[in-house]
This record gives sequence, structure tokens and C-alpha cells, in this order.
Amino acid sequence: QVQLQQWGAGLLKPSETLSLTCAVYGGSFSGYYWNWIRQPPGQGLEWIGEITHNGRTNINPSLKSRVTISVDTSNNQISLNLRSVTAADTAVYYCARGLTTWGPRWFDPWGQGTLVTVSS
Amino acid sequence: SSELTQDPAVSVALGQTVRITCQGDSLGTYYANWYQQKPGQAPVLVIYGKNHRPSGIPDRFSASSSGDTASLTITGAQAEDEADYYCNSRDSSVDHVVFGGGTRLTVL
Repeated sequence: QVQLQQWGAGLLKPSETLSLTCAVYGGSFSGYYWNWIRQPPGQGLEWIGEITHNGRTNINPSLKSRVTISVDTSNNQISLNLRSVTAADTAVYYCARGLTTWGPRWFDPWGQGTLVTVSS
Repeated sequence: SSELTQDPAVSVALGQTVRITCQGDSLGTYYANWYQQKPGQAPVLVIYGKNHRPSGIPDRFSASSSGDTASLTITGAQAEDEADYYCNSRDSSVDHVVFGGGTRLTVL
């Protein structure tokens, strides 16, 4: 059974860089889309972007200028960097495995989530 | 880019049937997937593709679609079904993921 475990700093100051890592345990790393999704407090889900095991990325255009997603296949991990954060980036950040047979990805399973707060 | 629209809140009496909808241009071409999220927890996939339930999801959850609207139906809602429900699909033009704004389901 695949499990995703994520970690990273939970409190940042404006203009700093958010860095999160997600490790995949118990399943294949290749053949899937590995995603980052966030959820501001009391709000809905926002897709940040995805990466495949061979490093191909696909990023939400609204965040593309500030986001880097990378993969470490030797450790079955993905990472998210979000530069120049502001209070608007305060959210719970999730990693999730994306699958598709045609068209839309579905996400299963999800990591436990990491609350990242941006405050001066 | 495409957007998916959900009603902010829906309520259902215990044991009755409820439909949660998701509307968007891309749904005329692509299926919606559905997630359940309870307070303080990560979302859980309940329906994917045309109408597939992951292992462990009760068969009272089902999905359908018509035109640009996808629906999640809970037949015989239980108290434990009270949660936020989100749909997702893809943009109609580019291979980007989109989520609906979510529907809060209250079981009365």
C-alpha cells in the first residue's frame, strides 16, 4: 500500500522560499504523476503542479514563475520550492499521487498535509 | 482556463439521497473525479473516471454526468458522510488540473 509522507518548514517570513519534500513508500515511483496541491485555511483546493519520475513537470500557470518541482528517484522523493512567499501562500500543502487512463488526473493517495504559515 | 463550479452547501436528511453537482465547460469532454474531505484531514478519493470507486468506498457513492455537469450521488446518506466534497477535472485546452470550489454536505 502506497503511503506518502511529507515534511518541511511550517513558518516562513515574507519573501522567503517555501521548501517541502514528499517521500513515497510501498509502491512504484515510475508511471505516475507526483503532485503538489494546496488549501488555504477555510478555502478550496488549488493544484500547484506535478512531476513524473523522469523529471517532466507541469505547473499551474498562476504559480509558474515562482515554483520549482524536482524529483529524486534514488530516494523516491519529490520536492516543492515556492519562492518569494507572501501571506497569500499560507495554506496546507499536500503531495498526492496522480493517475490517469485518459484525460483528468485523479489523486490517490494523499500525504498528510503540511501547514505553512507566512507571517512577519 | 477552465473553471469548475460547485454549490457551496447542500444538506440531506439521514438515509435520504443527495446529489452534489460540478459544472464546467471541460466536463463536456472529460470526466470529473470526486473527493471527500473531513475537518483536519487530507482529501480522500471517492469516485474516479466514469464511475469507479476505490477499494473501501461504500457503494452508496456513485457518479454520473450530463452535458457540462457532473454529479456525485450519495444514496442513503449516513452521518459519516458529512464532509466537504470536491470535484476535479482538467482544463479543456491544456493538460492542467482544475478543482471545483467544494460543497459542504450537512447530514440532518
